[in-house]
Amino acid sequence: GAVVSQHPSRVICKSGTSVKIECRSLDFQATTMFWYRQFPKQSLMLMATSNEGSKATYEQGVEKDKFLINHASLTLSTLTVTSAHPEDSSFYICSARAGTGRLHEQFFGPGTRLTVL
Amino acid sequence: RKEVEQDPGPFNVPEGATVAFNCTYSNSASQSFFWYRQDCRKEPKLLMSVYSSGNEDGRFTAQLNRASQYISLLIRDSKLSDSATYLCVVNSKGNEKLTFGTGTRLTIIP
Repeated sequence: GAVVSQHPSRVICKSGTSVKIECRSLDFQATTMFWYRQFPKQSLMLMATSNEGSKATYEQGVEKDKFLINHASLTLSTLTVTSAHPEDSSFYICSARAGTGRLHEQFFGPGTRLTVL
Repeated sequence: RKEVEQDPGPFNVPEGATVAFNCTYSNSASQSFFWYRQDCRKEPKLLMSVYSSGNEDGRFTAQLNRASQYISLLIRDSKLSDSATYLCVVNSKGNEKLTFGTGTRLTIIP
């Protein structure tokens, strides 16, 4: 299957700092990328959908000014958690969909575990 | 009511046994259904799609009941490596979004 990478895999930061997470599709062009967040023992919750070259679409309750998403190319999307606080500590997972793939077929990255002290 | 509901478990099952879990979904417009597997601190991985007529992949059998809006997963001859959280995932027609259940945690005991 298609490969999606995320970097970093783990980050620990102080409260108030900003953290950038990269999501890359390594062997295909991802027209759409998705960002999810998963708290312990909870389901993956979609935060936003981003299409290359356009603004991301955020799910209800997700602050777009706090979670900045950039999808500048067909192989890279970034999520920046601005002014992170301890409640932002979570497992952030991206997924990517190829333009030629089925609508629901998403390939997941390995996730980034964020801990805000 | 959650869009996708699962019994969180945990299910502790002896090796070699058969285990089954169900998932219910609330959106009658849901079109595609999947079971994903998620190991601890890892990303979810697609286990199998669920088709209307039911489908089997080795030791795994998935069933869909549209009338009652539930899907099931049956694992036969369970292995230690089957220990994981199994996520029920639903997709609506014409919509690229996936909706995840909270998952059912399964532990296979030697």
